[in-house]
Amino acid sequence: DTGVSQDPRHKITKRGQNVTFRCDPISEHNRLYWYRQTLGQGPEFLTYFQNEAQLEKSRLLSDRFSAERPKGSFSTLEIQRTEQGDSAMYLCASSTLSEETQYFGPGTRLLVL
Amino acid sequence: AQSVTQPDIHITVSEGASLELRCNYSYGATPYLFWYVQSPGQGLQLLLKYFSGDTLVQGIKGFEAEFKRSQSSFNLRKPSVHWSDAAEYFCAVVDYGGSQGNLIFGKGTKLSVKP
Repeated sequence: DTGVSQDPRHKITKRGQNVTFRCDPISEHNRLYWYRQTLGQGPEFLTYFQNEAQLEKSRLLSDRFSAERPKGSFSTLEIQRTEQGDSAMYLCASSTLSEETQYFGPGTRLLVL
Repeated sequence: AQSVTQPDIHITVSEGASLELRCNYSYGATPYLFWYVQSPGQGLQLLLKYFSGDTLVQGIKGFEAEFKRSQSSFNLRKPSVHWSDAAEYFCAVVDYGGSQGNLIFGKGTKLSVKP
């Protein structure tokens, strides 16, 4: 078990560009969560997948954000037309259906110039 | 709505001294509570969790936390701090307002360790 992995670890982009992040959860973990963490704050929930189904989206997830988990394994988070306010650490976490404990990846730090 | 409050933004302790980080939550029933630690530029590592049962829970790296329902608190403690404990610590509770078990985090407490 290698833990949750995320790619890339760092991303610098220009305002208006699209970016995509990938998360590979712990194998056999049905639940996958995306969080966003801005400087000086705790992580905030963005969206949740159970297997391939996206079951919950936070009001923080504007229509420029889209997430997928096509085969119930890895997930992608895409941000279209990035804005400077999107600069943050994007964290992925996974858990089993029977346990509330979430295990986090190392995060992708996004900087929008 | 549920919330988590970590009253201390930044704490400095001397190496070898004891540590207590405060966490208060708001929720009517028994919550599921967690402490995570985050080193600079890294993700979150689980230190310990409380679901039910014994109110004093042991975690990794010599940390423990005590659930006190009467005070709505879940404070994290360590008897002797090491320089490698310098990091940011987050308390979290499962959000029962939603249906999918996402976590609500406090704003974190940054721990600095003096030699």
